[in-house]
Amino acid sequence: AQSVSQHNHHVILSEAASLELGCNYSYGGTVNLFWYVQYPGQHLQLLLKYFSGDPLVKGIKGFEAEFIKSKFSFNLRKPSVQWSDTAEYFCAVNNRNYGGSQGNLIFGKGTKLSVKP
Amino acid sequence: EPEVTQTPSHQVTQMGQEVILRCVPISNHLYFYWYRQILGQKVEFLVSFYNNEISEKSEIFDDQFSVERPDGSNFTLKIRSTKLEDSAMYFCASSRETGVNYGYTFGSGTRLTVV
Repeated sequence: AQSVSQHNHHVILSEAASLELGCNYSYGGTVNLFWYVQYPGQHLQLLLKYFSGDPLVKGIKGFEAEFIKSKFSFNLRKPSVQWSDTAEYFCAVNNRNYGGSQGNLIFGKGTKLSVKP
Repeated sequence: EPEVTQTPSHQVTQMGQEVILRCVPISNHLYFYWYRQILGQKVEFLVSFYNNEISEKSEIFDDQFSVERPDGSNFTLKIRSTKLEDSAMYFCASSRETGVNYGYTFGSGTRLTVV
């Protein structure tokens, strides 16, 4: 069965620090990869996604992620975090060839990011 | 920017009672989903719905659960006889095309507390 692992449960950083959140998935076939963010009290919002092409994907708010197929990883990065980045971040995988159907998203457990001003 | 709207934001119900969680997807979207997140755990897929029928469901989506699109705008999740372990945040999502290519737009969620 597919699974998504996010290594860090809670990350605490000071403003301007660099961020890297780990995400590994278990499926060996063709996948789509997503990072979602959930700000306190709000809905899940898409940060960025990878379907094919350049493995370095740029998303909103200065976030980027790199797909490394050999490592089954899709780590999220930001060079300099802000207090407003405080949120929970979820990595998700969608198997493009899943039974010929729409497929569904498989989420990691999430990483809570707290940025200290 | 179009939004997926969920009501209520928080519902408390007694064990054994029926609950209906409501969602208004984005108007030109065709694919609809329910996910849930038990506190401290990962977001889990429940069911997807297209063309007025369930297209996929997970093991969690047993006979106690049902979905409906009663009037062309609302998309509801019904839990017939709630259990304590149904307490979770329930997220509705929709997508214009299959989510494989376009991703999903999620609602803000309904927090269901079963007491």
